Amino acid sequence: EDQVTQSPEALRLQEGESSSLNCSYTVSGLRGLFWYRQDPGKGPEFLFTLYSAGEEKEKERLKATLTKKESFLHITAPKPEDSATYLCAVQGSDSWGKLQFGAGTQVVVTP
Amino acid sequence: GAVVSQHPSRVICKSGTSVKIECRSLDFQATTMFWYRQFPKQSLMLMATSNEGSKATYEQGVEKDKFLINHASLTLSTLTVTSAHPEDSSFYICSASHGGGRDEAFFGQGTRLTVV
Repeated sequence: EDQVTQSPEALRLQEGESSSLNCSYTVSGLRGLFWYRQDPGKGPEFLFTLYSAGEEKEKERLKATLTKKESFLHITAPKPEDSATYLCAVQGSDSWGKLQFGAGTQVVVTP
Repeated sequence: GAVVSQHPSRVICKSGTSVKIECRSLDFQATTMFWYRQFPKQSLMLMATSNEGSKATYEQGVEKDKFLINHASLTLSTLTVTSAHPEDSSFYICSASHGGGRDEAFFGQGTRLTVV
């Protein structure tokens, strides 16, 4: 069974204080690992897809990396508008498109 | 990114009544859509896979007679919560993907259901 564990559960940062979120996973044949951002009362917003170990993707202050067992989401010099819950999800090769989500990391960035 | 629209965003209904939630892919065709449920401070739990033109596939523990799914076209899937009870109160979210090798899923804005 696919499993995704995210840490920490919550993270409080000062504006400009860089940090990293962790997503550890077990899956039978990784088809893709996905990062989403979710604001309160909204649906998840797609950020990145990573397909193979060593892959990296960047978008503004966010950078996602992937190894064979985990993924990191690095937030560089965060701003208050980066406050959100960040969700990690995996799709296995035999999952028929289904995503297995982690519990998320709630990030609060204070001015 | 692709646009998935979900309606309504909020609904309050009386216990025992049924509620229908719509999920539309606005700028692409989706042969498969997914329905999730999210409780406060928890992650998304997959309820069912909605397949255009065929029966939905439900996850273990999800009552198919309670959560009716219809995927009548390539751009519309509906979830009907039948005979709703307070324990069905939750945040319901749908997703759709392009398919054809592009695997990222795009989510609707979610529906907050409150059963009183």
